[in-house]
Amino acid sequence: DAEITQSPRHKITETGRQVTLACHQTWNHNNMFWYRQDLGHGLRLIHYSYGVQDTNKGEVSDGYSVSRSNTEDLPLTLESAASSQTSVYFCASSRTTDMNTEAFFGQGTRLTVV
Amino acid sequence: AQSVAQPEDQVNVAEGNPLTVKCTYSVSGNPYLFWYVQYPNRGLQFLLKYITGDNLVKGSYGFEAEFNKSQTSFHLKKPSALVSDSALYFCAVRDDPRGSTLGRLYFGRGTQLTVWP
Repeated sequence: DAEITQSPRHKITETGRQVTLACHQTWNHNNMFWYRQDLGHGLRLIHYSYGVQDTNKGEVSDGYSVSRSNTEDLPLTLESAASSQTSVYFCASSRTTDMNTEAFFGQGTRLTVV
Repeated sequence: AQSVAQPEDQVNVAEGNPLTVKCTYSVSGNPYLFWYVQYPNRGLQFLLKYITGDNLVKGSYGFEAEFNKSQTSFHLKKPSALVSDSALYFCAVRDDPRGSTLGRLYFGRGTQLTVWP
């Protein structure tokens, strides 16, 4: 079955370190998204991509970057981790041209920056 | 800009009773509305969507949602709640895919539903 997987599921890192969270989907979806989930804020969009070599900033993109070198993967990099980036991160994907399409979410990565 | 509001952080209901989780939206153009559910330590799962047509939309696990254009609302409902329905529920609105942001999803803050036995 097609799926979307995130790794690692849990990560503890130190302030200032670079961290990369992986997201891999097997639906061949063009659209991929990264969200962070924080209490009181719901899900906020970090970055998104509508295809290979395409990346766009979301509403909370500062301190994060993404790259899209193939259809299946959209890794999220924290350039210099900060305590404010402690959160649960969700990757999602959806088809690109169908306006009816819902998004499929990974199980999340819980990141703690100490 | 598109936005979604879920006015209740928590909803508590007894098993067997009807439940409603509220959502209001603000969009420019036609709304594309979604409900997602998140169980503990899991990602979000799609429940149902409204794109066009009947105002009452039926989805997974016996849930339904009523679209009300005049009140700009899309409330989630279930006639008889189950303890297993306890979860975090998110309403979302999608941009018009013909626009510059090509169909991004905007989520509400979520409503924690607790169904007690």
